[in-house]
Amino acid sequence: DTAVSQTPKYLVTQMGNDKSIKCEQNLGHDTMYWYKQDSKKFLKIMFSYNNKELIINETVPNRFSPKSPDKAHLNLHINSLELGDSAVYFCASSPMTSQAYNEQFFGPGTRLTVL
Amino acid sequence: AQSVTQPDIHITVSEGASLELRCNYSYGATPYLFWYVQSPGQGLQLLLKYFSGDTLVQGIKGFEAEFKRSQSSFNLRKPSVHWSDAAEYFCAVGDYKLSFGAGTTVTVRA
Repeated sequence: DTAVSQTPKYLVTQMGNDKSIKCEQNLGHDTMYWYKQDSKKFLKIMFSYNNKELIINETVPNRFSPKSPDKAHLNLHINSLELGDSAVYFCASSPMTSQAYNEQFFGPGTRLTVL
Repeated sequence: AQSVTQPDIHITVSEGASLELRCNYSYGATPYLFWYVQSPGQGLQLLLKYFSGDTLVQGIKGFEAEFKRSQSSFNLRKPSVHWSDAAEYFCAVGDYKLSFGAGTTVTVRA
């Protein structure tokens, strides 16, 4: 059983298009995240939702809009795609416990290529 | 602000030899530290984590890491490397918001 799944795995599109990436977790976790991994493999957090509420919103262009219809899903919509958006996007989830630390479980990634 | 430095961009090691990957962190309080591995074309898998207690932590796949507060380090080790250990390794620090290092690529030669 896949714990954190993302669709699609690959996405190739033209500049200026709008696209969405979907993420689902079946771990019963309360918190979900989106990360961007650039061509140098540097991994940076973009957003985090806890029980459908936005709790982390890093300095990301407002062309990126996360949406969480329920706590098992966190989708990422990108408007007006630019060449610099080409990257691998990872979804992750973690339980939100009373402790400060939470192990994050990652999905397989979506490789976005903007032409 | 929290941050992680992985000084080694690329390490090549012979199969059967030992491996050590360095990680230095900056964090304002008690650090929560993680090592993740990313195989080619795959997502990240947690190898081990440190929250408190024993400073030598054991992880999966025969990996261990040692937390040294005085050196702000959390180095990853494996006594005998297998060809399947060739991958990208990331050190991370944080609580619900993780900061990752730039990663170390490990190549294993026969």
